[in-house]
Amino acid sequence: ETGVTQSPTHLIKTRGQQVTLRCSSQSGHNTVSWYQQALGQGPQFIFQYYREEENGRGNFPPRFSGLQFPNYSSELNVNALELDDSALYLCASSLESSGRSEQFFGPGTRLTVL
Amino acid sequence: DQQVKQNSPSLSVQEGRISILNCDYTNSMFDYFLWYKKYPAEGPTFLISISSIKDKNEDGRFTVFLNKSAKHLSLHIVPSQPGDSAVYFCAASGGNQGGKLIFGQGTELSVKP
Repeated sequence: ETGVTQSPTHLIKTRGQQVTLRCSSQSGHNTVSWYQQALGQGPQFIFQYYREEENGRGNFPPRFSGLQFPNYSSELNVNALELDDSALYLCASSLESSGRSEQFFGPGTRLTVL
Repeated sequence: DQQVKQNSPSLSVQEGRISILNCDYTNSMFDYFLWYKKYPAEGPTFLISISSIKDKNEDGRFTVFLNKSAKHLSLHIVPSQPGDSAVYFCAASGGNQGGKLIFGQGTELSVKP
């Protein structure tokens, strides 16, 4: 059984640029959630996708957007990057969307905005 | 507004002893709680969970206790091992939060040989 994978591992961008992060869900999981983890903090929920539809969003501006594909892989897109967007971005997949089951996390993408 | 709080940023324990990690929450609608462990350069790894209809759940060396009246949960690790050294996050879900997990800030556990 393949776990959750994310790419790239690290990324350096400059302020104002756009970035796309990718996530491959664990086999059989139809729900993917994205989190942002700043240094010294716990992960903060960005949004969740269930069967290709957005299924909940945290307190992040519209320049954070996402997609989920028919194979349940997912992308996180961030436009007009700001310095404060520097963080570890985690995706997590789960069997269902209620939050009352394990979410399996990938290793994360470390984004640095200069 | 921090709905899930871990007030101890760090904890140091001797190998073989008990580690107790604490977590408090404010939203009484939360009905599912999880503990994750995170090593540097890795994503969080699920450890154990508990539903609000229970007050204890045990899995090997790990036990989670839930006190709903105090809005408090704790993770007990017995006996502690050096490999348990990591950052531990508690998380909560349910109520009007939909499918998202609300995480605490984490507690860094160091188990000394």
